[in-house]
Amino acid sequence: ETGVTQSPTHLIKTRGQQVTLRCSSQSGHNTVSWYQQALGQGPQFIFQYYREEENGRGNFPPRFSGLQFPNYSSELNVNALELDDSALYLCASSSFGRDQETQYFGPGTRLLVL
Amino acid sequence: DQQVKQNSPSLSVQEGRISILNCDYTNSMFDYFLWYKKYPAEGPTFLISISSIKDKNEDGRFTVFLNKSAKHLSLHIVPSQPGDSAVYFCAANYGGAQKLVFGQGTRLTINP
Repeated sequence: ETGVTQSPTHLIKTRGQQVTLRCSSQSGHNTVSWYQQALGQGPQFIFQYYREEENGRGNFPPRFSGLQFPNYSSELNVNALELDDSALYLCASSSFGRDQETQYFGPGTRLLVL
Repeated sequence: DQQVKQNSPSLSVQEGRISILNCDYTNSMFDYFLWYKKYPAEGPTFLISISSIKDKNEDGRFTVFLNKSAKHLSLHIVPSQPGDSAVYFCAANYGGAQKLVFGQGTRLTINP
């Protein structure tokens, strides 16, 4: 069974730039959720994708957007980067309808905005 | 509005003894609770969960207790091992829904 993978592992951007982060879900899972973890905090829910559509969103502005592809992989896009966007971005996969409450996380992408 | 709180930022326990990590929540709609362990430079790893219809769930050395009236859950690790040293997060959700709400985490250190 393949776990959740994310790329890249680390990224450095400057304020105002745009970034795309990628995630491949665990085999057998059809739902992907994205979280932002700031230093010293717990992960904060950004949004979830199921059947290629957004299926719930946390308190993040529209410049955070996403996609899910037919193979259930996903992208997180952040436009107009701000210094406060520096964080660990975590992707989690789950299986809608079966043990759907449990989400399994990837290793994360650490983003630094200068 | 911190709906899930872990009030102890850190905990130090001797190897072989019991580790008890605590978590409080405010939202009575939560009906599913999870514990995750996180090592540096890795994503959170699922440990154990409990539904609100139960008050205890056990998996090997890990036991989670849920007290709904007090809106409190705890994770017991017995016996504690050096590999248990990590940051532990409790999380909650409701309605089988999309988002997990996390606490701030507790750093557990197991001393030899």
